[in-house]
Amino acid sequence: KAGVTQTPRYLIKTRGQQVTLSCSPISGHRSVSWYQQTPGQGLQFLFEYFSETQRNKGNFPGRFSGRQFSNSRSEMNVSTLELGDSALYLCASSLAGDGYTFGSGTRLTVV
Amino acid sequence: AQSVTQPDIHITVSEGASLELRCNYSYGATPYLFWYVQSPGQGLQLLLKYFSGDTLVQGIKGFEAEFKRSQSSFNLRKPSVHWSDAAEYFCAVAINDYKLSFGAGTTVTVRA
Repeated sequence: KAGVTQTPRYLIKTRGQQVTLSCSPISGHRSVSWYQQTPGQGLQFLFEYFSETQRNKGNFPGRFSGRQFSNSRSEMNVSTLELGDSALYLCASSLAGDGYTFGSGTRLTVV
Repeated sequence: AQSVTQPDIHITVSEGASLELRCNYSYGATPYLFWYVQSPGQGLQLLLKYFSGDTLVQGIKGFEAEFKRSQSSFNLRKPSVHWSDAAEYFCAVAINDYKLSFGAGTTVTVRA
């Protein structure tokens, strides 16, 4: 059974640009959540989607947005990138009552 | 305020020795509890989880954890550490099934 797939693995962007990250969950998993990991702030929850609806959102500015498609694949978008957005972005998928499975992450570097 | 605390930032242990990583949480209700491991540059791998029932939980790679409601703790243990266990370990809790809150992590170094 394929795991959670995140693309791309690495990304370098310039300040002010925008970026879109993609996450394909495990087949059958309808919940997808996103996390940001930085050395200073650790792992922080961004948002969670279930059946194309955002059910929960973390404390991030509106520049961070996401969506989920009917096949459960999810994307997150960051607009007007800042240096502080450099981080490892992790996606997790979940089947209710079975915990969260994480992908390998997308390493975003903003220069 | 709701929080997850991992008191030890860094632990060094000899190969073959036992390991215990501490985790305490502060929530009004008993949350779902998880331990994850992360190798450098990689994602998080689930070691074990506790939802309800038996308070001693067995996980992968020889790890186990014990939930103690009276102490609001969920400590991770391994009887004999291997060099491949060197990594960062995260305790996490979820009040519902929508969002994980993580501790700051404990880095484990294994010396020969």
